[in-house]
Amino acid sequence: SAVISQKPSRDICQRGTSLTIQCQVDSQVTMMFWYRQQPGQSLTLIATANQGSEATYESGFVIDKFPISRPNLTFSTLTVSNMSPEDSSIYLCSVGGGERQEGYTFGSGTRLTVV
Amino acid sequence: LAKTTQPISMDSYEGQEVNITCSHNNIATNDYITWYQQFPSQGPRFIIQGYKTKVTNEVASLFIPADRKSSTLSLPRVSLSDTAVYYCLVGDPVNQGGKLIFGQGTELSVKP
Repeated sequence: SAVISQKPSRDICQRGTSLTIQCQVDSQVTMMFWYRQQPGQSLTLIATANQGSEATYESGFVIDKFPISRPNLTFSTLTVSNMSPEDSSIYLCSVGGGERQEGYTFGSGTRLTVV
Repeated sequence: LAKTTQPISMDSYEGQEVNITCSHNNIATNDYITWYQQFPSQGPRFIIQGYKTKVTNEVASLFIPADRKSSTLSLPRVSLSDTAVYYCLVGDPVNQGGKLIFGQGTELSVKP
C-alpha cells in the first residue's frame, strides 16, 4: 500500500493566519482526500483533491476557507485560511484506488492548534 | 449513504475475544462493509472488508448475516495494544467518488 508523508505533524498558529499542510505519496494514486478530526470526534471529509482541476468540497466546507491544490498524482496541499480557534483539529490526507474501500491509506495527520 | 450505528465504547481484558457489532439497516446492494482502526495520534488503518458471510484475515474476522443489516468485527485474544477506536464503514466507492464516510466509531479499551 502507499506510504504517505504529511507535514507538518503539528503546529500552533495565531488566529487570522493561514497554514498549508502538505501530503506527499510515494506512488501515483488516483484518489486523494482531506479529512478533519475535531478533538474526540470522528473523521469528517473536507474535500476530494482532483488532479489538474478544482477540488470537490463536501457540504459545510468552502474553497475560500480550505483551498486545496493537487498539481500531480503524488502530491496535494490543504490550506486552512484565516484561522480561528474553532479550526483547531487534526487534519489528515488519505489516498485510495477508488474502486474498493479496501486499502485506503491515511497520513499520520497534522495537529493544529489555533490560539 | 447507509447510516451506521456502533456502541460508543467497550471494555475488555487481555486475552478475551472482542466482538463489536455495527448496525446498517439501509445498506444498499452494492455496498461493502469495511472496518478501520485508529490509534491516538495516528490516521485510521484498514482492518478488514466484506460483502457477505464471513471474512477472516490475520488480524480479525468479519461476520455478516444474510440480510446484511448488521456486521460484527471479531478480535481474537485482544492485547493492550488493541486499545483503539474502531470504525465501521458502509458504502460503494464506485458510486461515492471513492469517498470514505466515517461514523462515530467504537472506543475499545483493553485492560490488563
